[in-house]
Amino acid sequence: SQQGEEDPQALSIQEGENATMNCSYKTSINNLQWYRQNSGRGLVHLILIRSNEREKHSGRLRVTLDTSKKSSSLLITASRAADTASYFCATDSSYSGYSTLTFGKGTMLLVSP
Amino acid sequence: NAGVTQTPKFRVLKTGQSMTLLCAQDMNHEYMYWYRQDPGMGLRLIHYSVGEGTTAKGEVPDGYNVSRLKKQNFLLGLESAAPSQTSVYFCASSYSGTDTQYFGPGTRLTVL
Repeated sequence: SQQGEEDPQALSIQEGENATMNCSYKTSINNLQWYRQNSGRGLVHLILIRSNEREKHSGRLRVTLDTSKKSSSLLITASRAADTASYFCATDSSYSGYSTLTFGKGTMLLVSP
Repeated sequence: NAGVTQTPKFRVLKTGQSMTLLCAQDMNHEYMYWYRQDPGMGLRLIHYSVGEGTTAKGEVPDGYNVSRLKKQNFLLGLESAAPSQTSVYFCASSYSGTDTQYFGPGTRLTVL
């Protein structure tokens, strides 16, 4: 079953604006990851935040984690048309006794020039 | 480094036919995964492997089999394809189960 759920499902903004997408999950986690997928391509890892971290930055990306609310947010500042993609959060899960990741259904971001 | 590669990139099958998808990684990762991605469903884990010769079921394993005879390769087999298996299949690999995953470019499979 899906652990993380992204919100909104789709987001449309203008170049230069900030984009915020959220991820909520149900059970406690060790870490949460964000991935990006350009249309028709494989997912690419963006950032990992551990359960004992509250905020993490990478270039124009800022990720926050609130374990008390079981939620995370990904902020992309000063967005560019090239940021147009789907963004997925991934959380710890377990199938058949081993630890794996479960991916949400993603947020589709459209950045218009 | 090629990272994670998948063959073929596209395939069209008829119902009942069989095929094997090949995934290869050159990062010496222990874990390898097969996912399917359908519109509105996100990524769903089919099977995965925690090391050479060891495989495990994921969320949607029915209708698929896998093998990991060599550490760098992970094969996904469809013994008798069904239209419900029309999807985009992604392979990924990682050092451990909750570590960063590295994805291949995907295989688009259509079953008629």
